[in-house]
Amino acid sequence: EPEVTQTPSHQVTQMGQEVILRCVPISNHLYFYWYRQILGQKVEFLVSFYNNEISEKSEIFDDQFSVERPDGSNFTLKIRSTKLEDSAMYFCASKTGTGGNIQYFGAGTRLSVL
Amino acid sequence: QKEVEQDPGPLSVPEGAIVSLNCTYSNSAFQYFMWYRQYSRKGPELLMYTYSSGNKEDGRFTAQVDKSSKYISLFIRDSQPSDSATYLCAMMDGSGNTGKLIFGQGTTLQVKP
Repeated sequence: EPEVTQTPSHQVTQMGQEVILRCVPISNHLYFYWYRQILGQKVEFLVSFYNNEISEKSEIFDDQFSVERPDGSNFTLKIRSTKLEDSAMYFCASKTGTGGNIQYFGAGTRLSVL
Repeated sequence: QKEVEQDPGPLSVPEGAIVSLNCTYSNSAFQYFMWYRQYSRKGPELLMYTYSSGNKEDGRFTAQVDKSSKYISLFIRDSQPSDSATYLCAMMDGSGNTGKLIFGQGTTLQVKP
């Protein structure tokens, strides 16, 4: 069964460092998403991406964040200068473009900013 | 008022019990309603998907949507210890253009053998 794959499963970084979280969405999907879940809190939408551009972003997704689809299979989230409060689980999700509204989630990357 | 409200629990039930989980919401534009199950430190896994009002059944799971009351429910029959997880409700507005999901807090369920 196709699945969304995220790497690494756990990323530890120092405050101020740049991190890149990687995702391989399901191969025939056209819409891609990043969500964040701070420990003990709800899953929050960060950004949606379609046709090689951001279609919507939340107020959390400020200038420190960027997304990219560098090739036909990967979808990345970059945080330029990490803060302590960026520590969270980051989930990638994808869905088809043909009338499909179901998003499939990856297992997540746990980001720990020290 | 929060867009989506969900009692975080925890909810503890004996094996075989019927479990009722629910969410309320404030945005009348929501048209698509989902229930995801999340095990500790894992990604959300889709359980049920419903469009607009009505009921949907899949095995031991039944999802109900009452748009007039802005209230959705998930029922689990004959609950099993393997059902122990956090259950997240999620919603999307009718435009569906970007597919942004709005999640509830999640309800932690423990089914005791």
